[in-house]
Amino acid sequence: ILNVEQSPQSLHVQEGDSTNFTCSFPSSNFYALHWYRWETAKSPEALFVMTLNGDEKKKGRISATLNTKEGYSYLYIKGSQPEDSATYLCAFNDYKLSFGAGTTVTVRA
Amino acid sequence: DGGITQSPKYLFRKEGQNVTLSCEQNLNHDAMYWYRQDPGQGLRLIYYSQIVNDFQKGDIAEGYSVSREKKESFPLTVTSAQKNPTAFYLCASSIDLIAGGEGNIQYFGAGTRLSVL
Repeated sequence: ILNVEQSPQSLHVQEGDSTNFTCSFPSSNFYALHWYRWETAKSPEALFVMTLNGDEKKKGRISATLNTKEGYSYLYIKGSQPEDSATYLCAFNDYKLSFGAGTTVTVRA
Repeated sequence: DGGITQSPKYLFRKEGQNVTLSCEQNLNHDAMYWYRQDPGQGLRLIYYSQIVNDFQKGDIAEGYSVSREKKESFPLTVTSAQKNPTAFYLCASSIDLIAGGEGNIQYFGAGTRLSVL
C-alpha cells in the first residue's frame, strides 16, 4: 500500500481568508495525482487530475500545484467561503488510486 | 440523471452472516471499484473491475468477494471471514483504468455504512 500523506488533518479558516494544505506521495512511478472534494452527506467529487511536473490547475477559487520530483501537491483556497467546508482528498495514481486520509476544512462565517 | 447508486444506506450484520452491498451505475463506465473507509484513514481499495466478468483484488480483499456479471452492477459481499466489517463502504466507477488520464476520474456513490450487531 503506497504512503500518501495529507497535512494538516484538519483546519479552521475564517470566511474570506485564504488557506492551503499539502499532499505528499512517492516520487517514483508517477502517472497522475487526483484531488477530490467530499462534502458532508454527499459523495466525493473530482476537482483536478494533475499529470505533469509544474502543473497548475484552477477551478473557481480553488487551485492546485504539482511537484512530481519532490512528491508533493498543494491545494489552495482563496477567499474561503462556508460552502468550501469539506474534506479534501488527494489520491496517487499508478495503476490504481491510493488515497490520503484527507484534510477537513471548516470555514467559519 | 446519470450516477452511481448504492444500497442500502445502512446495513447491520449478525455474527457469522454474509451480507451484500449493491452498486449500480448508469454512466456506461467500464471500470468499477469498492473502497472501505475507517476513521482517520484514507479510502482503501477492496476490489476493482476493468470489464465484465473480470475483477482484481485490491489492497484489502480478504473477507470480501465481488462479481461483475453486468457492466452496470458490481455487488460486494462481506463474508463471515471478514472479522472487522464495521466501516463505511464506497463504490465508484470510471470510464477506464488507464492511469494518467482523465478517463479514470472516479465517480462515487453515496456509500453504505455497515455495522455489526
